[in-house]
Amino acid sequence: SAVISQKPSRDICQRGTSLTIQCQVDSQVTMMFWYRQQPGQSLTLIATANQGSEATYESGFVIDKFPISRPNLTFSTLTVSNMSPEDSSIYLCSVEVGYGGEAFFGQGTRLTVV
Amino acid sequence: DQQVKQNSPSLSVQEGRISILNCDYTNSMFDYFLWYKKYPAEGPTFLISISSIKDKNEDGRFTVFLNKSAKHLSLHIVPSQPGDSAVYFCAAGGATNKLIFGTGTLLAVQP
Repeated sequence: SAVISQKPSRDICQRGTSLTIQCQVDSQVTMMFWYRQQPGQSLTLIATANQGSEATYESGFVIDKFPISRPNLTFSTLTVSNMSPEDSSIYLCSVEVGYGGEAFFGQGTRLTVV
Repeated sequence: DQQVKQNSPSLSVQEGRISILNCDYTNSMFDYFLWYKKYPAEGPTFLISISSIKDKNEDGRFTVFLNKSAKHLSLHIVPSQPGDSAVYFCAAGGATNKLIFGTGTLLAVQP
């Protein structure tokens, strides 16, 4: 299993600013995943963050908008840049335990952009 | 293109009765399927999973059924308890290790 600490838990931000979300895992993991859950929608994968290499982004998400850092095997950050109200969502980090294993999630960051 | 679908946005069940949550998928390459439960202001928590080579997996009050020919899975909770009230997501994964989630079903268990 894995325990994931994510912060902040929530924030209200002005449009045009940026917010960095931190994710700390209690064990070393190869891949960390960042998801977004827009209101009434499913969890959508933003990118996969591997330590020592650039993150891999899913279709519709770009590094300029969602830069990711992965400085070591227990930590990652996601930045939401130049925010607009459409970025208001819950952002979640996640790790998976092996192939076919369950994923563990942080508690999420509820972002509201005004 | 929504590869994993949960067509019922909500479900209400009486305490003690069975809750059946459904999920359909379109990609026959998925190797495993999982169910997650999510309370407000918390991240999803893993409930139960099933490999594509099985048709049933049971864990206490929770049973997941997989019908590969119909590309359909379901989660049965019996007996349902008020503490089961939450949003339930099904998810599917394969060789890429990425999980594709459904849109969720809000289960309300009435005392």
